[in-house]
Amino acid sequence: EVQLVESGGGLVQPGGSLRLSCAASGFTFSTYNMNWVRQAPGKGLEWVSYISSSRSIIYYADSVKGRFTVSRDNAKNSLYLQMNSLRAEDTAVYYCTTVSARVYWGQGTLVTVSS
Amino acid sequence: DIQMTQSPSSLSASVGDRVTITCRASQSISRSLNWYQQKPGKAPKLLIYAASSLQSGAPSRFSGSGSGTDFTLTISSLQPEDFATYYCQQSYSTVWTFGQGTKVEIK
Repeated sequence: EVQLVESGGGLVQPGGSLRLSCAASGFTFSTYNMNWVRQAPGKGLEWVSYISSSRSIIYYADSVKGRFTVSRDNAKNSLYLQMNSLRAEDTAVYYCTTVSARVYWGQGTLVTVSS
Repeated sequence: DIQMTQSPSSLSASVGDRVTITCRASQSISRSLNWYQQKPGKAPKLLIYAASSLQSGAPSRFSGSGSGTDFTLTISSLQPEDFATYYCQQSYSTVWTFGQGTKVEIK
């Protein structure tokens, strides 16, 4: 069974940093491209970042470019999102997803940016 | 980026009603279109992938159609557990984009 489990969310002050993790199991993680998607409270879904299976191709949404860094460790079946210079508008539930015909989602981790 | 326009933004319907939600892409996306159901506090749940393929475990009352720029999600007979928000999402581009959502409420 495919499982994606996010962790690392929490309350952080504006300007602060946070690192999210996504632990994958039940599939060959190293062969899948992966995404981060977020959802602000009461709002719709917003794509955040993409990383290819080999880490050679990376994309970011304009809203996070220069502040967020996506990475992965295929040996540990893990995906990461380093978030720096956080703003109030980054407050959201962050999901990791596979990039595949049948998209798998984690349960999400809540990031709250507030003083 | 490819823009996805979903309509309506909300609708009220009764149990047993046939419900249709539409999604329009700003350019052709072939059949690279997914539909999700989301309930409060939960992750989106994939219902339909590749425009018309029913995800394993999704009820057969859900169906999808369309190609190019125009797509439809149909619920043939609305059930109590179907009251939720529905999103379309294009996977044609590496940069995913989503519709703004359709909230299906009880009439």
